[in-house]
Amino acid sequence: GQNIDQPTEMTATEGAIVQINCTYQTSGFNGLFWYQQHAGEAPTFLSYNVLDGLEEKGRFSSFLSRSKGYSYLLLKELQMKDSASYLCAVVDSNYQLIWGAGTKLIIKP
Amino acid sequence: GAVVSQHPSRVICKSGTSVKIECRSLDFQATTMFWYRQFPKKSLMLMATSNEGSKATYEQGVEKDKFLINHASLTLSTLTVTSAHPEDSSFYICSARGGGSTYEQYFGPGTRLTVT
Repeated sequence: GQNIDQPTEMTATEGAIVQINCTYQTSGFNGLFWYQQHAGEAPTFLSYNVLDGLEEKGRFSSFLSRSKGYSYLLLKELQMKDSASYLCAVVDSNYQLIWGAGTKLIIKP
Repeated sequence: GAVVSQHPSRVICKSGTSVKIECRSLDFQATTMFWYRQFPKKSLMLMATSNEGSKATYEQGVEKDKFLINHASLTLSTLTVTSAHPEDSSFYICSARGGGSTYEQYFGPGTRLTVT
């Protein structure tokens, strides 16, 4: 079966750095997305990785290792508004998005 | 660019009635649209995938006669919840994907359905 694992919940301090991990086992791989979802709202796109390595975009960076079936989202200089759920999703061999359950990130002052 | 609208944002209906939710891609042509359902504190659950002009493909366990999906044009898809019951109360989100090599899905703002 297809499976995406990410921690259920994480807590971090305002101004700090946090890394949210995602591991996957899917039938094929055509890229990995990270989305941010605030409570009661729809997901918004953060990043897309299809090649190995680190993609940096402002305070957010995303890393991919296809051989390890592993990705992480790195958030720097955390702000209170970063409190949200972060969803990892993999594009499988049928070009469908397989979603992780999401990681709820709680930022404390 | 790549804006998806969804209407209504909130709806309350009585048990036994039907509710239609519209999903529109405003500035691109959506060859494929997706309908998701999300329960509180849970991840997205894909209900069905629809391609313009063809029948929707429903995920296992989703009743196609209860959740009617129509994708009549490249910018509009509708989800009709027929004979709604309280257990259908949920957050329904649509997303759209254009043609080309990108697999990114652009999400609508979601519809909060409450069935009383």
